[in-house]
Amino acid sequence: AQKITQTQPGMFVQEKEAVTLDCTYDTSDPSYGLFWYKQPSSGEMIFLIYQGSYDQQNATEGRYSLNFQKARKSANLVISASQLGDSAMYFCAMSPGDKLIFGTGTRLQVFP
Amino acid sequence: DTEVTQTPKHLVMGMTNKKSLKCEQHMGHRAMYWYKQKAKKPPELMFVYSYEKLSINESVPSRFSPECPNSSLLNLHLHALQPEDSALYLCASSQWRDRDNNEQFFGPGTRLTVL
Repeated sequence: AQKITQTQPGMFVQEKEAVTLDCTYDTSDPSYGLFWYKQPSSGEMIFLIYQGSYDQQNATEGRYSLNFQKARKSANLVISASQLGDSAMYFCAMSPGDKLIFGTGTRLQVFP
Repeated sequence: DTEVTQTPKHLVMGMTNKKSLKCEQHMGHRAMYWYKQKAKKPPELMFVYSYEKLSINESVPSRFSPECPNSSLLNLHLHALQPEDSALYLCASSQWRDRDNNEQFFGPGTRLTVL
């Protein structure tokens, strides 16, 4: 069975600093996808970044990068130059086929 | 158009009411999803439609009845709900380009309260 673990219930970061949100996963599938979503208090889930299990390079999207360490089964999200608008819930997710399996989430708070 | 829309945004209903949630996407995506999310929890998958056919039902009680009238629309019919069904209901769609990349686009959700 697949599982996603996010061990940080909450994180604080000062504006303009970088922050790393941890995610580990467990699967026996040789092929899978890893995702990060942001959920502000409004409720909408916003896609941030995707990493395929066979991708050799770490994914990057603007200020977001995914630190993918396949042997360790980790897929940490790095947010550079944090902004106040980054305050939200962040979910790591894994795609074994037609489903998305989510972790429990990390609440990030950015302070001035 | 890269948007998934959901109506209504908020819904309050009694346990004897019948109501429906609506979801729409015009991105040509072939898969659509319903999720339920309780406060401070991750979304939980309820149903998956693939090419307008129900492909996954995660053992959801029959008081929730999904319907996919066409490739752009997804409904969730609600009947005889319980107060514990109060939650945020999220709809999503995906093109699912390859087996691993199931990037899903989510709507803003419907906040349901059952009295």
